[in-house]
Amino acid sequence: AQSVSQHNHHVILSEAASLELGCNYSYGGTVNLFWYVQYPGQHLQLLLKYFSGDPLVKGIKGFEAEFIKSKFSFNLRKPSVQWSDTAEYFCAVTGSGNTGKLIFGQGTTLQVKP
Amino acid sequence: GAGVSQSPRYKVAKRGQDVALRCDPISGHVSLFWYQQALGQGPEFLTYFQNEAQLDKSGLPSDRFFAERPEGSVSTLKIQRTQQEDSAVYLCASTLRGQFGNTIYFGEGSWLTVV
Repeated sequence: AQSVSQHNHHVILSEAASLELGCNYSYGGTVNLFWYVQYPGQHLQLLLKYFSGDPLVKGIKGFEAEFIKSKFSFNLRKPSVQWSDTAEYFCAVTGSGNTGKLIFGQGTTLQVKP
Repeated sequence: GAGVSQSPRYKVAKRGQDVALRCDPISGHVSLFWYQQALGQGPEFLTYFQNEAQLDKSGLPSDRFFAERPEGSVSTLKIQRTQQEDSAVYLCASTLRGQFGNTIYFGEGSWLTVV
C-alpha cells in the first residue's frame, strides 16, 4: 500500500539547533516528493519538492531535503532553526502522472524555543 | 483572488444535517483537489477535478459525500446526513494542471464540527 511515515510526531528544539525530520515512503514506481509547512492559522505551503535530478533539494527559508532512493527516504534538514520555524511539517509523495493526488504523512509538530 | 479561497471557514452542524463547502480556486487553474484532514493527521485525498470533469473520486469515504464543479471553476463539496466522524478540516487545492512540475496551492480550509 502507498504510505508515508514521519517518525517524529513532536520535536522541541532551542533556537540555533540543527533540525532533521525523518520521512519514509512506500510507493511503487517513480515518485515525486514534497515537504509542506503549515504555520499556526495558515494554509499549507510548499517548502521544497523533488522530481528528478540532484537528490539534494534546497527549498525556501534555508530548508533542504535529501532523497535517498535505496532507503525510500526524504528527510528534511535545516542547520539552524529559528523561533519562526515553529509549525507543523508534512512530508508527501505522489506518482509522476498526477502531482496533485498527494499522500501525506501524519505530520511533525516543531516547537522552537527562543 | 490571489489564493485558493474557501468558505465557510468554520461550520458547526448538528448530526444528520447536510453541509456544503465552497472552494474558489486560483483563477485559471484547471485542476482542483479536495482533501480531508482529521485532527492530528495529515490530509487525505478525497477527489480531483480537471475543469468540470471529476476524474478521481476514489477517496470519498461514503456515498454521503458528493463534489461538483459544474463550470470548471468554483467547486462545492457536499456532505449529506453528517456524522460525528465527518468532523475535520476540508482542504481545497488547485494547480494550473495536475501534471509534472506544477505547484499545488492549498486554501486555508473549512473546519467542520459535527455535534
